[in-house]
Amino acid sequence: EAQVTQNPRYLITVTGKKLTVTCSQNMNHEYMSWYRQDPGLGLRQIYYSMNVEVTDKGDVPEGYKVSRKEKRNFPLILESPSPNQTSLYFCASRRQGVNTEAFFGQGTRLTVV
Amino acid sequence: AQSVTQLDSQVPVFEEAPVELRCNYSSSVSVYLFWYVQYPNQGLQLLLKYLSGSTLVKGINGFEAEFNKSQTSFHLRKPSVHISDTAEYFCAVSGDAGNMLTFGGGTRLMVKP
Repeated sequence: EAQVTQNPRYLITVTGKKLTVTCSQNMNHEYMSWYRQDPGLGLRQIYYSMNVEVTDKGDVPEGYKVSRKEKRNFPLILESPSPNQTSLYFCASRRQGVNTEAFFGQGTRLTVV
Repeated sequence: AQSVTQLDSQVPVFEEAPVELRCNYSSSVSVYLFWYVQYPNQGLQLLLKYLSGSTLVKGINGFEAEFNKSQTSFHLRKPSVHISDTAEYFCAVSGDAGNMLTFGGGTRLMVKP
């Protein structure tokens, strides 16, 4: 089954404690991205990757890091989380091309206290 | 730069009534338009997309949308809604920023019995 898998689904952490949210896709898609969803703001792109070892900033990259060492994996790293990073996070993947459908993971609800 | 505006943050409607969720976009190049649906505690899934050709696009679950280039709109419609259509709906545009999908703020559809 074609899918994007994120882990964990829920995470509560304390300010400053490094964390990683994993994302994996089994569709051999070149393009992967991370979004955060906040009420009234829709989905805003944090980082994206066009292919292995190619990553770039989206609209709201501050406080986040990513890496793309393998085509299927695209982890999101918060080196020093802060309460304003409390949000719902989604990973997505697409085939290369502007007219292709994005497939989304189930989401990770992160709370930073 | 491309952008999307969803004019209504919430739309309450009674079961079996028709509904229209409004979406306007801006872009300087040819656009590709998408509607995604997010059911409670789930990720986003594609409802329908406009790539080219007929301006009336049919999607899953009885939804359809009409692309209007002169009004830069892509409104979503359903002639008769069900309780199970209660969800958040996102309009998205692609084409003006590489592979980036830009989302609107979302519209919460609340279907009442």
